[in-house]
Amino acid sequence: DAMVIQNPRYQVTQFGKPVTLSCSQTLNHNVMYWYQQKSSQAPKLLFHYYDKDFNNEADTPDNFQSRRPNTSFCFLDIRSPGLGDTAMYLCATSRLGQGVSEAFFGQGTRLTVV
Amino acid sequence: GQNIDQPTEMTATEGAIVQINCTYQTSGFNGLFWYQQHAGEAPTFLSYNVLDGLEEKGRFSSFLSRSKGYSYLLLKELQMKDSASYLCAVRGLFMTTDSWGKFQFGAGTQVVVTP
Repeated sequence: DAMVIQNPRYQVTQFGKPVTLSCSQTLNHNVMYWYQQKSSQAPKLLFHYYDKDFNNEADTPDNFQSRRPNTSFCFLDIRSPGLGDTAMYLCATSRLGQGVSEAFFGQGTRLTVV
Repeated sequence: GQNIDQPTEMTATEGAIVQINCTYQTSGFNGLFWYQQHAGEAPTFLSYNVLDGLEEKGRFSSFLSRSKGYSYLLLKELQMKDSASYLCAVRGLFMTTDSWGKFQFGAGTQVVVTP
């Protein structure tokens, strides 16, 4: 089945140690999103891509970077994680163009910074 | 920007009906989407509205009034498995300098279904 896959599902990292989260999709969607979700809060958009065109939310910390080397893959790099970055990180995809498309989510990566 | 408001929590009895309201203010609108999210899991898509009116999908229905910036999700014949958070999301316009149809979410309404 076509889907959005995130790896790893769970990640524990030390304070200040760089970490990379990955997302892949088989839906061939042209838009990919990264969201951060803390407990009982709304998913907060960090970045999104339309193909390789990148859009960074104004309040996304510089500590967070993203790469999309091709249509299928997208990465979230946290250069120096702080304790406040402990959260669920959600990758989603959507189709931009014909008709209305909802966002399809991966299972998420639960990141714990210790 | 966008401001999306929904109640924090609602409780209802198994078999009953619950209506979750969502109000929004947005600088660009291209659809209102509803998602279900169980604890520790990713959101799953339920329903969407682009035009005013009611959309029905089985036990779930969603309504939109664009002039009022208002939507609701109606859950009928509640089951215990419906206990979850329900997220309202607004999709932005396409092809603007800061949005390619990005989704902005409300904080979610936690629905508790009791026996």
